[in-house]
Amino acid sequence: EIVLTQSPGTLSLSPGERGTLSCRASQSVSSSNLAWYQQKPGQAPRLLIYGASSRATGIPDRFSGSGSGTDFTLSISRLEPEDFAVYYCQQYGSLPRTFGQGTKVEIK
Amino acid sequence: QVQLVESGGGLVKPGGSLRLSCAASEFTFSDYYMNWIRQAPGKGLEWVSYISPSGDSIYYADSVKGRFTVSRDNAKNSLYLQMNSLRTDDTAVYYCARGDVGKWKSPFGYWGQGTLVTVSS
Repeated sequence: EIVLTQSPGTLSLSPGERGTLSCRASQSVSSSNLAWYQQKPGQAPRLLIYGASSRATGIPDRFSGSGSGTDFTLSISRLEPEDFAVYYCQQYGSLPRTFGQGTKVEIK
Repeated sequence: QVQLVESGGGLVKPGGSLRLSCAASEFTFSDYYMNWIRQAPGKGLEWVSYISPSGDSIYYADSVKGRFTVSRDNAKNSLYLQMNSLRTDDTAVYYCARGDVGKWKSPFGYWGQGTLVTVSS
């Protein structure tokens, strides 16, 4: 099983600042089958990034993903008020599918 | 647009059973792998199971293997999760989610709103 470890656990930032979230895998994620999701309280997760760096339909370009192998990053260039949420990485290249434990981006 | 609507959640005693349903609409259900993912209160996401478009390929997380059974009825555009021998740590919101057409290696682009299962005496 591929274990995904996200850091930091909580990121305290102000609107307009840049956010950088990390996801490290216990073994290589095949073909960059790595996704990022955003989840707000009481809502289902929303797909932001797939294939490590491709934005899903309708996702603003302030969200970008990078990385390969075992190290992946989600960047938010300028935080908008609606971006404060919990973010999860997930690998879908091997079974079982696994998620990171999440990074909460909170307003400073 | 794509819709996934879960139902069947509720309160059940430890050792009991429950069957969840996920009604799909606005896409060709029989073309897609479908998944169940759960989230315990205040916790992260845990993938539970997937089923192939025809139902001939199924996989479970170790935490539910032997207790949960996933199935689908393509004629009814519906996905199911039969949960037996429920434990308190099965308490969670259960989501159904869809990936990309025909791909078993796919992110989850569409999610239902979830249904809450509470296992408690």
